[in-house]
Amino acid sequence: DTEVTQTPKHLVMGMTNKKSLKCEQHMGHRAMYWYKQKAKKPPELMFVYSYEKLSINESVPSRFSPECPNSSLLNLHLHALQPEDSALYLCASSQDPGLAGASGELFFGEGSRLTVL
Amino acid sequence: GDSVTQMEGPVTLSEEAFLTINCTYTATGYPSLFWYVQYPGEGLQLLLKATKADDKGSNKGFEATYRKETTSFHLEKGSVQVSDSAVYFCALSGSSGGSNYKLTFGKGTLLTVNP
Repeated sequence: DTEVTQTPKHLVMGMTNKKSLKCEQHMGHRAMYWYKQKAKKPPELMFVYSYEKLSINESVPSRFSPECPNSSLLNLHLHALQPEDSALYLCASSQDPGLAGASGELFFGEGSRLTVL
Repeated sequence: GDSVTQMEGPVTLSEEAFLTINCTYTATGYPSLFWYVQYPGEGLQLLLKATKADDKGSNKGFEATYRKETTSFHLEKGSVQVSDSAVYFCALSGSSGGSNYKLTFGKGTLLTVNP
């Protein structure tokens, strides 16, 4: 199983709503990532979890709240978003990049396309 | 810091044409290099990778060689198909000056192949 599964595929929410994006992988990877991608741009790193602990937060506004309940799951909780937060949100996983022989390859999900009205 | 520069395109080719997308990088040490592809409406898929100098990555007819002397990782395919139409991202990770967890992406190159 080499898939990263993201749900929902599409989400429309108002600025006062609370919603969550979910991500699951069963490859035994211990690093999981959230990226944000705007149209015609490369993905931008938001958060990294390593061994279920938050390792990197790229100065993301607090209206985005990540959670890693276990080694297979990653959530992104959304609250009081702005229209400019509309984007494709990509989850990814990888082996621990500190392991000998790890290539740094990321496995990406299909993404959740978020529209904030 | 690390950076990746790739031709931004868009690139438009006819089917069976030869493809080159240039990619050069700036990084310290010995990063791993990647080409990712993003088909319309989808996430990113790894196309090929190379983890050390002179390695050649290949997949689905695409090739790229890790050239440390020219700090390049150009993507090539001898005969493109309509189904190759997508955005291609060059990326690196694991430089000695950066975090192993961070992929540095180029800006992406949109390829359109016409029948």
